[in-house]
Amino acid sequence: KAGVTQTPRYLIKTRGQQVTLSCSPISGHRSVSWYQQTPGQGLQFLFEYFSETQRNKGNFPGRFSGRQFSNSRSEMNVSTLELGDSALYLCASSRDGQETQYFGPGTRLLVL
Amino acid sequence: AQSVTQPDIHITVSEGASLELRCNYSYGATPYLFWYVQSPGQGLQLLLKYFSGDTLVQGIKGFEAEFKRSQSSFNLRKPSVHWSDAAEYFCAVALSNFGNEKLTFGTGTRLTIIP
Repeated sequence: KAGVTQTPRYLIKTRGQQVTLSCSPISGHRSVSWYQQTPGQGLQFLFEYFSETQRNKGNFPGRFSGRQFSNSRSEMNVSTLELGDSALYLCASSRDGQETQYFGPGTRLLVL
Repeated sequence: AQSVTQPDIHITVSEGASLELRCNYSYGATPYLFWYVQSPGQGLQLLLKYFSGDTLVQGIKGFEAEFKRSQSSFNLRKPSVHWSDAAEYFCAVALSNFGNEKLTFGTGTRLTIIP
């Protein structure tokens, strides 16, 4: 069974631009969560989608948004990029309920 | 709010020596507990998890962890480390409620292996 895939793997943007990251979960998994990893703040939860609905949200500004499609694939969007948004963005998927989350390789975003 | 503490930022161990990485959590009830490993530039790989039952959990790559409710701890152990174990290790907890898929992570422990 294929793992969680994320595209693109690397991205360079400039301040003020917007970016969209994509995540394809493991087949059969309906929950997708997003995390931001930075050296200063560590791993922080962004949000979680289940059956196309945002079910949980972390403490990030409204510039960070996401969505989930009917095939469980998810996208994350960051608008008006700031230098501090430079990070590794990790996507994780799990089945219904309180299941184990499996992580993708991440998208490394650099904001210049 | 739940929190996870990994008191050791960096640990250096000789190849073949035993290893113990510490993890303490703060939460009113017993959460779900996980250990993940991250190699440089990579995502997180699940090593093992504890939901309930036997408090000694076996994972992949020869790792095990023991849940101690009285100490709110979930320490990771390996009897003999290999050079390939050099990586960053994260302890994480999740609320044991349906519909709450949020993981709270510790700050990580970087493991260095010396020959």
